[in-house]
Amino acid sequence: EVQLVESGGGLVQPGGSLRLSCAASGFTFSSYDMHWVRQATGKGLEWVSAIGTAGDTYYPGSVKGRFTISRENAKNSLYLQMNSLRAGDTAVYYCARGGRGSGSPFDYWGQGTLVTVSS
Amino acid sequence: EIVLTQSPDFQSVTPKEKVTITCRASQSIGSSLHWYQQKPDQSPKLLIKYASQSFSGVPSRFSGSGSGTDFTLTINSLEAEDAATYYCHQSSSLPNTFGGGTKVEIK
Repeated sequence: EVQLVESGGGLVQPGGSLRLSCAASGFTFSSYDMHWVRQATGKGLEWVSAIGTAGDTYYPGSVKGRFTISRENAKNSLYLQMNSLRAGDTAVYYCARGGRGSGSPFDYWGQGTLVTVSS
Repeated sequence: EIVLTQSPDFQSVTPKEKVTITCRASQSIGSSLHWYQQKPDQSPKLLIKYASQSFSGVPSRFSGSGSGTDFTLTINSLEAEDAATYYCHQSSSLPNTFGGGTKVEIK
């Protein structure tokens, strides 16, 4: 059974940093692209970052230069380092499994971890 | 960036009724369009991939169609458990983008 479990969320002040983790199990982690998607309370879904199987990374303009996605295949783990956090980054952050190639859907999602940026 | 416009934003439907949700892309995305269901306080779940392919375990009352810029999610014979918000998602080009969501309420 595919499982994705996020952790690391919490309350952080504006300008601060936080590192999210996603523990994967039930599949060959190294063979899949992985993504982070966030959702502010009562709002829609926003793609935050992606990492390919070769370690290539992608970001939207809203987080580029502030967020860094990484993976550790030996530990079946995905990470999101978030720096220079803003109030607008407040959201539930989900990790999601992509496919074995670009352009794939997100077929499994974790339960999410809440990040609150506030003073 | 490809913008996905969903309609309607909200729909109140009687059980056993048919539901149709549309998603329009700002430029052609081929069949790289996927549909998700999100129930309150849950994470999104994949329903339909590549416009019309059902994901494993999804009830047959859910179906998708379309290509290019216009796509449709259909729920035949709505059940009470289908109360949720539905999102479309394009993976044709970066950044990945989502539609604004369609909330389906059961009357």
